[in-house]
Amino acid sequence: DAGITQSPRHKVTETGTPVTLRCHQTENHRYMYWYRQDPGHGLRLIHYSYGVKDTDKGEVSDGYSVSRSKTEDFLLTLESATSSQTSVYFCAISEFEARDRAEQYFGPGTRLTVT
Amino acid sequence: DQQVKQNSPSLSVQEGRISILNCDYTNSMFDYFLWYKKYPAEGPTFLISISSIKDKNEDGRFTVFLNKSAKHLSLHIVPSQPGDSAVYFCAASQDDKIIFGKGTRLHILP
Repeated sequence: DAGITQSPRHKVTETGTPVTLRCHQTENHRYMYWYRQDPGHGLRLIHYSYGVKDTDKGEVSDGYSVSRSKTEDFLLTLESATSSQTSVYFCAISEFEARDRAEQYFGPGTRLTVT
Repeated sequence: DQQVKQNSPSLSVQEGRISILNCDYTNSMFDYFLWYKKYPAEGPTFLISISSIKDKNEDGRFTVFLNKSAKHLSLHIVPSQPGDSAVYFCAASQDDKIIFGKGTRLHILP
């Protein structure tokens, strides 16, 4: 088990409220990723980070922001949650030092419900 | 516009038989392919991978085959066991990101 934790594991929030999800790793991996998983869509990349303070957008980044002030922590923020952001959110980490080290290791997920 | 496609949402296989999960991709620039397995209420776990310079990689009961000319890869599980029942995601690496397919749910029947 790669040392990845996500908090909270479950959250119910109301439309319009801000929400922050946290991913914490103990592996000292350079790359960190946030995905959402929805029925019929598989895993879709929201944002990712390739180092402290270095982040980039994924395919479904609208409505989300991220921050990485330390190697071990990657935060995902929904500034004003909407019902379409109800989903299961997964954090992943990767070394990606070379093309043959592309594997990502996933956290346990956070189930977010926006009512 | 899906770059990684898993056209079978589900597959049922008898225990002990071979399970074959298929995946197609459109981007010829992908250079590394991966399979992940996911149980309910857990994160995906890495299963097996293959570089684009190879056509086969084997790890125990799991073998991945890559056909670059057809832009197709497959995962073979032999023999299939009850614990193999899960959702399997095909994925392809592009730069420092991985693009996932929508997944295939595998049911192993007793």
